[in-house]
Amino acid sequence: EAGVTQFPSHSVIEKGQTVTLRCDPISGHDNLYWYRRVMGKEIKFLLHFVKESKQDESGMPNNRFLAERTGGTYSTLKVQPAELEDSGVYFCASSQDRRNTEAFFGQGTRLTVV
Amino acid sequence: GESVGLHLPTLSVQEGDNSIINCAYSNSASDYFIWYKQESGKGPQFIIDIRSNMDKRQGQRVTVLLNKTVKHLSLQIAATQPGDSAVYFCAENGVWIQGAQKLVFGQGTRLTINP
Repeated sequence: EAGVTQFPSHSVIEKGQTVTLRCDPISGHDNLYWYRRVMGKEIKFLLHFVKESKQDESGMPNNRFLAERTGGTYSTLKVQPAELEDSGVYFCASSQDRRNTEAFFGQGTRLTVV
Repeated sequence: GESVGLHLPTLSVQEGDNSIINCAYSNSASDYFIWYKQESGKGPQFIIDIRSNMDKRQGQRVTVLLNKTVKHLSLQIAATQPGDSAVYFCAENGVWIQGAQKLVFGQGTRLTINP
């Protein structure tokens, strides 16, 4: 069974540009989470989908970030326009249980904004 | 070797020695805790978990200790191997919000195993 996959693995963009990150959860997992780790700091929660609905988006930094999960399968996280402080590693995780106790993480997308 | 909370993010130990990684969690209402291992270029990988009704749980070469009185969590790795080199994160399953819980992570400790 395939795990959580994320694309791209790395992205380098200029300030002001747009980037879209993609996450394919484990098949059958209704719960999908986005997290971010900024250099040297803790992994922080961004948002949680249950199927196609946003359950909790309290961690989204600002309105430059837009997450979607059309059809309740894969999810995208768009940053527009990107700022320097958006650099970091973005992780996606999925689980069957909305308690997030059995979450499996993808390998992450390393975003560098220059 | 031993790390202390979130203020000592690196820990170096000799191969074969035991290591202890410590974590101070924030929410006294958290009822579930997880240790994750993150190797370079990979996402966090589940190591071991513990529920708040326990104070100790053992896995293969790993033991997690929970002290709810002082909100402290530790991960003990026995007989460390080169493959144990990674960043280790503790996480707590925080309060319920809108019918779901989300993981709250600590800063992470980088463990380096010296040959």
